Amino acid sequence: NAGVTQTPKFQVLKTGQSMTLQCAQDMNHEYMSWYRQDPGMGLRLIHYSVGAGITDQGEVPNGYNVSRSTTEDFPLRLLSAAPSQTSVYFCASRSGTSGTGELFFGEGSRLTVL
Amino acid sequence: DQQVKQNSPSLSVQEGRISILNCDYTNSMFDYFLWYKKYPAEGPTFLISISSIKDKNEDGRFTVFLNKSAKHLSLHIVPSQPGDSAVYFCAATFPGGSEKLVFGKGTKLTVNP
Repeated sequence: NAGVTQTPKFQVLKTGQSMTLQCAQDMNHEYMSWYRQDPGMGLRLIHYSVGAGITDQGEVPNGYNVSRSTTEDFPLRLLSAAPSQTSVYFCASRSGTSGTGELFFGEGSRLTVL
Repeated sequence: DQQVKQNSPSLSVQEGRISILNCDYTNSMFDYFLWYKKYPAEGPTFLISISSIKDKNEDGRFTVFLNKSAKHLSLHIVPSQPGDSAVYFCAATFPGGSEKLVFGKGTKLTVNP
């Protein structure tokens, strides 16, 4: 049972480079989201999706782009990486019928922008 | 404006004793509160939740208490075990299974053998 899978686990970029963090879930969850975790800041919501073809912004969306073409996948794109985007990124999903908001998280992707 | 606050960055307790992790919130519209546990290099995992219409929820060694009038909740771990050493995040959500889960900054719990 894979759950939520994120790739890559580690990535180093130079300022201005672009890349995509991949996220896939095999639980047929409608809702998927991306969070970033920074020291002393907790987890902050970047973008989320309530279903294929539907995305919306979270608390810190600037510099990131998302799309949701299938239920399973929710990639996060950095269009022009900046040092401020150095962080640990977590993808999460939950069932649309979950009234409690319980999320299932991936193991994280650690990104360093030089 | 931080809506969910965990004012203690760290907590250290002895094995076998009680661990009490605290969380305050400012938005009275929150209707579910959750605790997540996170080990280093892993994603957060769900621990326990409580509805705003309840004041207590228990699951084994873990109990969450909610005081709505004080906008305060706490997580009790009894007895504490070394394997409980992790960062604990308090989180809250709005009615309807909201898409936006709001997290506190976390409290690092260390349980000493």
